[in-house]
Amino acid sequence: AQSVTQLGSHVSVSEGALVLLRCNYSSSVPPYLFWYVQYPNQGLQLLLKYTSAATLVKGINGFEAEFKKSETSFHLTKPSAHMSDAAEYFCAVSGWTGGGNKLTFGTGTQLKVEL
Amino acid sequence: DGGITQSPKYLFRKEGQNVTLSCEQNLNHDAMYWYRQDPGQGLRLIYYSQIVNDFQKGDIAEGYSVSREKKESFPLTVTSAQKNPTAFYLCASPDRATGELFFGEGSRLTVL
Repeated sequence: AQSVTQLGSHVSVSEGALVLLRCNYSSSVPPYLFWYVQYPNQGLQLLLKYTSAATLVKGINGFEAEFKKSETSFHLTKPSAHMSDAAEYFCAVSGWTGGGNKLTFGTGTQLKVEL
Repeated sequence: DGGITQSPKYLFRKEGQNVTLSCEQNLNHDAMYWYRQDPGQGLRLIYYSQIVNDFQKGDIAEGYSVSREKKESFPLTVTSAQKNPTAFYLCASPDRATGELFFGEGSRLTVL
């Protein structure tokens, strides 16, 4: 079984400040890990993914995440927040079932960016 | 461009009515999923289909029905038996190798 825990359902940062969204996972097999972003009344859009290549993964919009096996973490960071980053962010872990890899999502973190 | 198309974007329904949400994909993926999203509860799986003419219940299937007659299409019917149908509904399809999900733009259903 696999699971994802996102620490902090709401995170607030100032524009220009570091963004850090936390994600810890549990998986019985080497995982694939994902971060998605969702803007109001839209579907989820892939930010970045870890699929067992480089542990530091760069995504769109200046975001990156580092896979740390020893800490079972996959935290999302961005050096300088922009107002347009305000959205909800979901971490997800993929695990193999009989019919293919299936994603398990965290409950999401709402990011607020203040002037 | 390949992707997933959901319609309608917004839908209003009176209590006691069934409503069908459309989901079409041109990614040539075998599997398709329906999720329900409520504030603060993340995504909850309603139904999924791994292949044409086959589907399974997810975590919250009660009050919903689906069909999968074509590879490209996976419509969801919200029946009058669903006690709290007002929500945002997302259709998705996975890449079989990695599990990466590709999402539609969603359909917001409001019951009046």
